[in-house]
Amino acid sequence: GAVVSQHPSRVICKSGTSVKIECRSLDFQATTMFWYRQFPKQSLMLMATSNEGSKATYEQGVEKDKFLINHASLTLSTLTVTSAHPEDSSFYICSARGLFGPTDTQYFGPGTRLTVL
Amino acid sequence: GENVEQHPSTLSVQEGDSAVIKCTYSDSASNYFPWYKQELGKRPQLIIDIRSNVGEKKDQRIAVTLNKTAKHFSLHITETQPEDSAVYFCAASPSYNTDKLIFGTGTRLQVFP
Repeated sequence: GAVVSQHPSRVICKSGTSVKIECRSLDFQATTMFWYRQFPKQSLMLMATSNEGSKATYEQGVEKDKFLINHASLTLSTLTVTSAHPEDSSFYICSARGLFGPTDTQYFGPGTRLTVL
Repeated sequence: GENVEQHPSTLSVQEGDSAVIKCTYSDSASNYFPWYKQELGKRPQLIIDIRSNVGEKKDQRIAVTLNKTAKHFSLHITETQPEDSAVYFCAASPSYNTDKLIFGTGTRLQVFP
């Protein structure tokens, strides 16, 4: 139980294009999903918190117009990196928190490695 | 806001030895402290967690201790095995927003056979 998937696992794109990353909770309903960014050999930095049916809450320093988050259902959240630039290259990981068990436990997706050329 | 510090950044041990990783946090009202293991290029996986109403929790070779007064918590791995090699992250849930997790900087553990 508590499986979270992400798609795609890897994406390479040209500078200036937009990239959409999907995060799905496969066997549970996720009231809240989180998006993190992880640079090589660094920690996970929270970008935003996404609640189903409402606007995402962004962390300080994260541009909401650049990183568009949509949480349209209890099993799907998407992160769109708009007008991507090489400095956006990173490992993007989502996590989900469900309605079952301890409500503070987060389950992570496998991550998406974004490379912007 | 919550600040989580983690030490050491790297740790090398011989197979069979114990490994200890320590974290400190700043928000005295924090009450949830998970530990995650992340292998290279893979997702972080929850290995153990502790809440502020207990001082210690064990799961086979893994244990976590919490000292609320000193605001620190530690991960203990006994009888280490090569497959324990990974990056370990501690985290704390701040009282001002229990939705969030603030992560430590990570510890790269290497277990040599």
